[in-house]
Amino acid sequence: GDSVTQMEGPVTLSEEAFLTINCTYTATGYPSLFWYVQYPGEGLQLLLKATKADDKGSNKGFEATYRKETTSFHLEKGSVQVSDSAVYFCALSDQGRGSTLGRLYFGRGTQLTVWP
Amino acid sequence: DVKVTQSSRYLVKRTGEKVFLECVQDMDHENMFWYRQDPGLGLRLIYFSYDVKMKEKGDIPEGYSVSREKKERFSLILESASTNQTSMYLCASNPGGRTYEQYFGPGTRLTVT
Repeated sequence: GDSVTQMEGPVTLSEEAFLTINCTYTATGYPSLFWYVQYPGEGLQLLLKATKADDKGSNKGFEATYRKETTSFHLEKGSVQVSDSAVYFCALSDQGRGSTLGRLYFGRGTQLTVWP
Repeated sequence: DVKVTQSSRYLVKRTGEKVFLECVQDMDHENMFWYRQDPGLGLRLIYFSYDVKMKEKGDIPEGYSVSREKKERFSLILESASTNQTSMYLCASNPGGRTYEQYFGPGTRLTVT
């Protein structure tokens, strides 16, 4: 079945460091891919998305490229800030096959802490 | 902006009580979802609904039921709360069609004692 595997945390970085959080997926067909962010005490917010191979999603300095050949969607940011401290979730959509109607499959989340 | 609201941010209930968690979305979305979030396990889908009065089981439906009497409202019911249902509960919605991203509420942290 469809699934997402993301890099286990926690990840601790100094401000202005480069960030990579790895995400790989297993899916039949051509899923859409997402990164969500969860700040302390809040629900999940959509950070970025990509709907087809070679698409690059970007938002707030974060980027991720949909790589079908490596089934990956790694999250990157060139210079992290303290305010980026949060939990990051990679997810894929099964594109609404059959009765599942576009449910999302989530990775387990990666806790990022950025120190000043 | 899409707004998904949940009736409580924090809730404390006793073992055996019937618990209702309410979720409301204001964007006329077709699909609504209930997840629970536990440390190290990520988000697990409990139930979802793709239309009024329609529901489908997710990955962990045991001990839960749902109700969707109106399009904007999706309720999660714990028929007889148990301590292993202590968790963060997240509601989400999405418009349906070919839009797959989901919009989340702030969550309800439920403690069952």
